[in-house]
Amino acid sequence: DAKTTQPNSMESNEEEPVHLPCNHSTISGTDYIHWYRQLPSQGPEYVIHGLTSNVNNRMASLAIAEDRKSSTLILHRATLRDAAVYYCILRDTRDDKIIFGKGTRLHILP
Amino acid sequence: DGGITQSPKYLFRKEGQNVTLSCEQNLNHDAMYWYRQDPGQGLRLIYYSQIVNDFQKGDIAEGYSVSREKKESFPLTVTSAQKNPTAFYLCASRSDRGRSNEQFFGPGTRLTVL
Repeated sequence: DAKTTQPNSMESNEEEPVHLPCNHSTISGTDYIHWYRQLPSQGPEYVIHGLTSNVNNRMASLAIAEDRKSSTLILHRATLRDAAVYYCILRDTRDDKIIFGKGTRLHILP
Repeated sequence: DGGITQSPKYLFRKEGQNVTLSCEQNLNHDAMYWYRQDPGQGLRLIYYSQIVNDFQKGDIAEGYSVSREKKESFPLTVTSAQKNPTAFYLCASRSDRGRSNEQFFGPGTRLTVL
């Protein structure tokens, strides 16, 4: 299975942009890049996903490197409610097996 | 409202007892998943099912069993063979329709084995 690598934790100040990196050097052509986040004692929630092009939605933006071996989740203006664990995962469209890594714990400083 | 329900939220059992965790979805999703999460750790895949009456082992299936007799339901049984069953258990479902193919997660069941 393709793997992702993320920093264990990151800090950011409130109302500032946050860039969360993810490395996936073994990504295959059929892998989509998905991001989820998990608030304490809750199930994860979907944030964004992409294949090759950068993507924007109401929650965040996803910047994907040209070689697709890394990506960055961008929160444009962090709030205290964005404090969570963020997971970057690869979703192979040929297979329903979805594997989560340990994610990045994001701390937001007021 | 459509969604995934897991019950109960908290569950206590004595060591050596089997226990079944419920997961129901009314989203008409084909695929369903069970994950286990330990404190401070990520999610680990236990079992997943792509269609009724079919399921596959994930990375940590030993000591667990599942069934998928109905599209809406994917119960997980934690057997006495599971050495460290105390954990947070999350159920998820996913649709093949639409572009995102995102997973929707339930609120989780926190199992404590005494």
